[in-house]
Amino acid sequence: LAKTTQPISMDSYEGQEVNITCSHNNIATNDYITWYQQFPSQGPRFIIQGYKTKVTNEVASLFIPADRKSSTLSLPRVSLSDTAVYYCLVGDNTGGFKTIFGAGTRLFVKA
Amino acid sequence: EPEVTQTPSHQVTQMGQEVILRCVPISNHLYFYWYRQILGQKVEFLVSFYNNEISEKSEIFDDQFSVERPDGSNFTLKIRSTKLEDSAMYFCASSVSAATNEKLFFGSGTQLSVL
Repeated sequence: LAKTTQPISMDSYEGQEVNITCSHNNIATNDYITWYQQFPSQGPRFIIQGYKTKVTNEVASLFIPADRKSSTLSLPRVSLSDTAVYYCLVGDNTGGFKTIFGAGTRLFVKA
Repeated sequence: EPEVTQTPSHQVTQMGQEVILRCVPISNHLYFYWYRQILGQKVEFLVSFYNNEISEKSEIFDDQFSVERPDGSNFTLKIRSTKLEDSAMYFCASSVSAATNEKLFFGSGTQLSVL
């Protein structure tokens, strides 16, 4: 069961790029890396998933080094509305019959 | 984009009363889940449901909890005799499959307050 470690909280200012790094040293060969976003009083929302290298969508980019022992979620030019909790999930913690969320990273975007 | 819908958005009940929280999963999804989040804490898995059976449940999901898919569209969570500590936001989710990289779609939640 891959364990993930991510910062408890981060602060940023509007317009900046934010990078949230997640460590998953014992990631298994078949494991995907998935990130969810949760706004206050809402359910988590899937934002991006990757296996290796780089994945980009309209919301974020996900960078995964060759050893896959970490991953970085990159949010370009954040706005106040990007204030949320961001969860990194790996392997057995994602999908299946039992997706498990950790504490996540609380991102505060200031004006 | 299709959504998971939950009703009611807020529910206030007296301790010891039964509550039923309702969810309409996305129509072509086959796997359904309930999670809860106590204020300021992390999202906790309660139960997953597939083919009219519970697939997995956590230790939180004790005999006071039950789930049901009473028809082709609704998925419900029942708490038989609510306790103060059941006060939380309850999220329903659904997914197309149970693959390990499958993404879950969550509803906006029901805020349950037990007085």
